[in-house]
Amino acid sequence: GNSVTQMEGPVTLSEEAFLTINCTYTATGYPSLFWYVQYPGEGLQLLLKATKADDKGSNKGFEATYRKETTSFHLEKGSVQVSDSAVYFCALRGGKAAGNKLTFGGGTRVLVKP
Amino acid sequence: DVKVTQSSRYLVKRTGEKVFLECVQDMDHENMFWYRQDPGLGLRLIYFSYDVKMKEKGDIPEGYSVSREKKERFSLILESTSTNQTSMYLCASSLWGEQFFGPGTRLTVL
Repeated sequence: GNSVTQMEGPVTLSEEAFLTINCTYTATGYPSLFWYVQYPGEGLQLLLKATKADDKGSNKGFEATYRKETTSFHLEKGSVQVSDSAVYFCALRGGKAAGNKLTFGGGTRVLVKP
Repeated sequence: DVKVTQSSRYLVKRTGEKVFLECVQDMDHENMFWYRQDPGLGLRLIYFSYDVKMKEKGDIPEGYSVSREKKERFSLILESTSTNQTSMYLCASSLWGEQFFGPGTRLTVL
């Protein structure tokens, strides 16, 4: 079945530091890949997505590239802010046979200190 | 903007009590989902629904049931709560593709 593995947190870094959160996946077919973010006390919101190999998703200074050869979708941001403190989830949606279900990674908590 | 609302933000129940968690979406989405979120485990799918009166088991359906009588409303039912059901419960809806999440209900079972 489908699975997503992401690095465990918490990740603590200073403002303006570079952030990378690793995400690798196992899936049959051609999944779509997502990063969701959960700010304290809130539900999840979509941060970015990529639907085919070599696509780059980007939003709010975050980027992730769909790498089929390494089955990865690592999240990066060049200069984080305190407001980026949140939990980040990598997820995949399988092909048509899998319907519209998402498979999530375990989440990575990021804490940015001023 | 899509809005997904959940009936409660916080609930405290005693073991054996019955719990209804209600989710309402306002975008006429066909697909609705219930997840539970636990530290280190991410989100795990409990049940989902592709249409009114239709439901399918997710990865961890044991101890839960659902009801979808109207398109906009998807309820999660815990018939007899146990302490291992203490968790954050998240509802989501989608048409196809991106899922939109509610704020979550934190349920504590004593």
